[in-house]
Amino acid sequence: EAGVVQSPRYKIIEKKQPVAFWCNPISGHNTLYWYRQNLGQGPELLIRYENEEAVDDSQLPKDRFSAERLKGVDSTLKIQPAELGDSAVYLCASRASYEAFFGQGTRLTVV
Amino acid sequence: AQSVSQHNHHVILSEAASLELGCNYSYGGTVNLFWYVQYPGQHLQLLLKYFSGDPLVKGIKGFEAEFIKSKFSFNLRKPSVQWSDTAEYFCAVTAGGTYKYIFGTGTRLKVLA
Repeated sequence: EAGVVQSPRYKIIEKKQPVAFWCNPISGHNTLYWYRQNLGQGPELLIRYENEEAVDDSQLPKDRFSAERLKGVDSTLKIQPAELGDSAVYLCASRASYEAFFGQGTRLTVV
Repeated sequence: AQSVSQHNHHVILSEAASLELGCNYSYGGTVNLFWYVQYPGQHLQLLLKYFSGDPLVKGIKGFEAEFIKSKFSFNLRKPSVQWSDTAEYFCAVTAGGTYKYIFGTGTRLKVLA
């Protein structure tokens, strides 16, 4: 069974440039999460979807971050424009029951 | 707001030593508790979980954790660690019937062969 797939694995961009991350959750998982993990920290929730509805986006910096989950399957997280402080690992996870399954993440470096 | 504290940021042990990693959470209501592990170069994986019932839960690879409600704690234990247990361990909580996972800062474990 395929797990949560994220791409790209690594991304280096200059500040003020846009960047997008893609996530394909496990088939049948209605809940999808985007987390950000800074170096030496635990994952912090950015947004949670139930199917195509964003049910918790209180920690998403909406001035520069946006996300979508069309048709309740794949999801895209975008940052525009990126800032130096956005350098982190962006994790996608999906859930059907009690366990959240995580992808390998996208490591973003903003220079 | 809910939070999770992991007291040990870095732990170094020799093989066969016993392990205990601390985890405390702040939330007064019903919680579900988890320990996730991240091996080098791999994604986060579930080690074990507590929802209700027996407060001593057993997970994969010989790990166990004990939920002590009065102490708001969910410490992870393993009687005898192996070199392959070298990884980062994260405690997480979901509270109030939501599935919003709140993670601690993680504990990086290094086991010396």
